[in-house]
Amino acid sequence: DAKTTQPNSMESNEEEPVHLPCNHSTISGTDYIHWYRQLPSQGPEYVIHGLTSNVNNRMASLAIAEDRKSSTLILHRATLRDAAVYYCTHNAGNMLTFGGGTRLMVKP
Amino acid sequence: DAGITQSPRHKVTETGTPVTLRCHQTENHRYMYWYRQDPGHGLRLIHYSYGVKDTDKGEVSDGYSVSRSKTEDFLLTLESATSSQTSVYFCAISVQNTEAFFGQGTRLTVV
Repeated sequence: DAKTTQPNSMESNEEEPVHLPCNHSTISGTDYIHWYRQLPSQGPEYVIHGLTSNVNNRMASLAIAEDRKSSTLILHRATLRDAAVYYCTHNAGNMLTFGGGTRLMVKP
Repeated sequence: DAGITQSPRHKVTETGTPVTLRCHQTENHRYMYWYRQDPGHGLRLIHYSYGVKDTDKGEVSDGYSVSRSKTEDFLLTLESATSSQTSVYFCAISVQNTEAFFGQGTRLTVV
């Protein structure tokens, strides 16, 4: 099973960048790293994923360590709407499992 | 939005009764997953499927069974519901190594 470790919670000020860390020490060479977030009372939604290289999309950036055992999700300018639980995961074979996630609180 | 629909969205049932939750997709994705979410536990994988009639157990499969007779439908059955199965259940679909799309969830209460 995929095992990930994330801080339980983080705080950020609005308009400031946020770096959300994740350790995934059990990752294998072919596992993709995924990040999802879950807003209150909603299902999780995809944020970004990558294999080895850093990735950027309209929502965030993903920085992957050279040994791939950790990654960082970067929100360049946090907004109040970014307050959510953020999950990192990697697919272990056909399985996609999640840890407890990081609850991000954004202060105005 | 990805075409994924869960039904029912809410259900209250009595202890000991069978319950079936349905996940329906219109995306023709190969992988389908069932999760449960409880306060303080995040998302826990119950069962998953990697093709028609190809299913496997996840982290918390005891008390649950699944079936996938068509690409578009993945059914989760609680053979005899217990109060510990009160939870919010999420279905997800994906193509391997790409993003997963989640349904809106089914809130199940077992009384």
